[in-house]
Amino acid sequence: DTEVTQTPKHLVMGMTNKKSLKCEQHMGHRAMYWYKQKAKKPPELMFVYSYEKLSINESVPSRFSPECPNSSLLNLHLHALQPEDSALYLCASSQERTSYGYTFGSGTRLTVV
Amino acid sequence: DQQVKQNSPSLSVQEGRISILNCDYTNSMFDYFLWYKKYPAEGPTFLISISSIKDKNEDGRFTVFLNKSAKHLSLHIVPSQPGDSAVYFCAARIQGAQKLVFGQGTRLTINP
Repeated sequence: DTEVTQTPKHLVMGMTNKKSLKCEQHMGHRAMYWYKQKAKKPPELMFVYSYEKLSINESVPSRFSPECPNSSLLNLHLHALQPEDSALYLCASSQERTSYGYTFGSGTRLTVV
Repeated sequence: DQQVKQNSPSLSVQEGRISILNCDYTNSMFDYFLWYKKYPAEGPTFLISISSIKDKNEDGRFTVFLNKSAKHLSLHIVPSQPGDSAVYFCAARIQGAQKLVFGQGTRLTINP
């Protein structure tokens, strides 16, 4: 299995909703990442987990809450989002925290209404 | 502060010809440079990389060139094929860090 699987592929949520994005990999990678990509912009790093511990938080607002329940799973909990948070959310993984060969998932297209 | 820049938002090339995608960077602490390819509705796919101590890396139809003095790298695709039509992102890793910094992307269209 050489894939990173993200669910759901599309999500529409209201500003008062609570939802979660899920990411799963079975490649034995020990580093997992959340990236956010707005239209016509490059992906921007949000969070890095290394060996299931949060190692980087790029000053992301607290309405985004990451969780790494085990080495294969990464969640992103969403609460009280704003319309400007609408974007493509990409999960990625790599063998070690210093590896550059990321494997990306297909992303979750999030729309906040 | 855009540390990795792809100044051409789009590029159109005839099938069979060479495609050259360019990328400039400003941070001297980058130790690896990478190219990713992205199709619509899919995540970026790793294509090829180059260490900052090298000036060329080749993999089949894809060659990446690095000019450290000019802080410039380029991706050459020869010959270009219709399946190469995608958005190409240049990315760079800060030495010892876990973070990749991406350029804005260049949309490559290969015309038959």
